Amino acid sequence: GEQVEQRPPHLSVPEGDSAVIICTYTDSATAYFYWYKQEPGAGLQLLMSVFSNVDRKEEQGLTVLLNKKDKQLSLNLTAAHPGDSAVYFCAVSADTGNYKYVFGAGTRLKVIA
Amino acid sequence: EAGVTQSPRYAVLQEGQAVSFWCDPISGHDTLYWYQQPRDQGPQLLVYFRDEAVIDNSQLPSDRFSAVRPKGTNSTLKIQSAKQGDTATYLCASSPLGPDTQYFGPGTRLLVL
Repeated sequence: GEQVEQRPPHLSVPEGDSAVIICTYTDSATAYFYWYKQEPGAGLQLLMSVFSNVDRKEEQGLTVLLNKKDKQLSLNLTAAHPGDSAVYFCAVSADTGNYKYVFGAGTRLKVIA
Repeated sequence: EAGVTQSPRYAVLQEGQAVSFWCDPISGHDTLYWYQQPRDQGPQLLVYFRDEAVIDNSQLPSDRFSAVRPKGTNSTLKIQSAKQGDTATYLCASSPLGPDTQYFGPGTRLLVL
């Protein structure tokens, strides 16, 4: 079945710097890609969703890159601020009629003021 | 539009006790998911429904866990005899039919002593 590896598990950046999180997946049938943010004691908040026909998507200081050849998905937070401190998860699902998500293990981001 | 709601938000049990979690999905969403999220890990799918039908419960420990969605709206997840290893956050999510984004509730944090 699908395996998703997410790295790094922990990331600490100064305020104003960029932060990059990478997920690698294994299933060639993977077609849908998501990034979620989880703050302490809260559920998962959708940041961005990407379909497999898109290589790059930018929204509100976030950039998602999809490299289908290497089966890699990345999230780049440009000019991070302390409010971005949270745990970030990637999730993927296949276009097989069964749209179950497989999640990465998460990246705990700390933005230092 | 109201989001996914869950109750209770917290539960503390002794081993062997039973507990039920309740989820109210976003109105009109056909598909409902239950995830288990151990501390410092990504969510792992337990079971999901399309309307009132169970589509996949392959990861649900069937000897102690059960889930129902009798009218295709609200859902209940029950642990019959909790174990310390069940300590986790239980997340409910819902989505419209098809390969669409899942929207998550705030979760129920369970501690089994």
